[in-house]
Amino acid sequence: LAKTTQPISMDSYEGQEVNITCSHNNIATNDYITWYQQFPSQGPRFIIQGYKTKVTNEVASLFIPADRKSSTLSLPRVSLSDTAVYYCLVMAGGFKTIFGAGTRLFVKA
Amino acid sequence: DSGVTQTPKHLITATGQRVTLRCSPRSGDLSVYWYQQSLDQGLQFLIQYYNGEERAKGNILERFSAQQFPDLHSELNLSSLELGDSALYFCASSVDPEGLARPEQYFGPGTRLTVT
Repeated sequence: LAKTTQPISMDSYEGQEVNITCSHNNIATNDYITWYQQFPSQGPRFIIQGYKTKVTNEVASLFIPADRKSSTLSLPRVSLSDTAVYYCLVMAGGFKTIFGAGTRLFVKA
Repeated sequence: DSGVTQTPKHLITATGQRVTLRCSPRSGDLSVYWYQQSLDQGLQFLIQYYNGEERAKGNILERFSAQQFPDLHSELNLSSLELGDSALYFCASSVDPEGLARPEQYFGPGTRLTVT
């Protein structure tokens, strides 16, 4: 399975756009890139998933360059409630899901 | 609310004991995953079942076992418990890992296990 690398932590202010980049150099052709959000003592929550180029939903955007060796989760206009851990995963059909250490995002007022 | 339910919410037991954690997946989801999350280990994938059959194994100890029943609910059995087994145990479900799409996993609220 492809290993992912993300920044350990990030700080931001309310109203700003936050971009979290994940590198996955060994991504396989059939791997999808998925991002999850986790609040303390809660289960992770699916945010967005993509294969290539750009995907957008009501919560976030996911940018994937042509070589697919990295991806960027973009959270528009964050609020205090977006303070959480964000995990990037490369999933091939859901088998043996490997969560990395994640990125702790702290949003300040 | 993800639609995945887990019971019990909290469990306190002693070393050497055996416990069973239960998970009911979202309606229509055939796949169930089990994860362990402790403070120093992060989220660790344990095992996956698809429509009653074991499909993938992660870092699951031999003292742990799981099964998925015909009604698709799943149980995780932890035996000969040690202090280090204290953790949050999450169950997640997804529609079909074998389809062309790569479906997201929906996580339950977790069971917090404390071994004393």
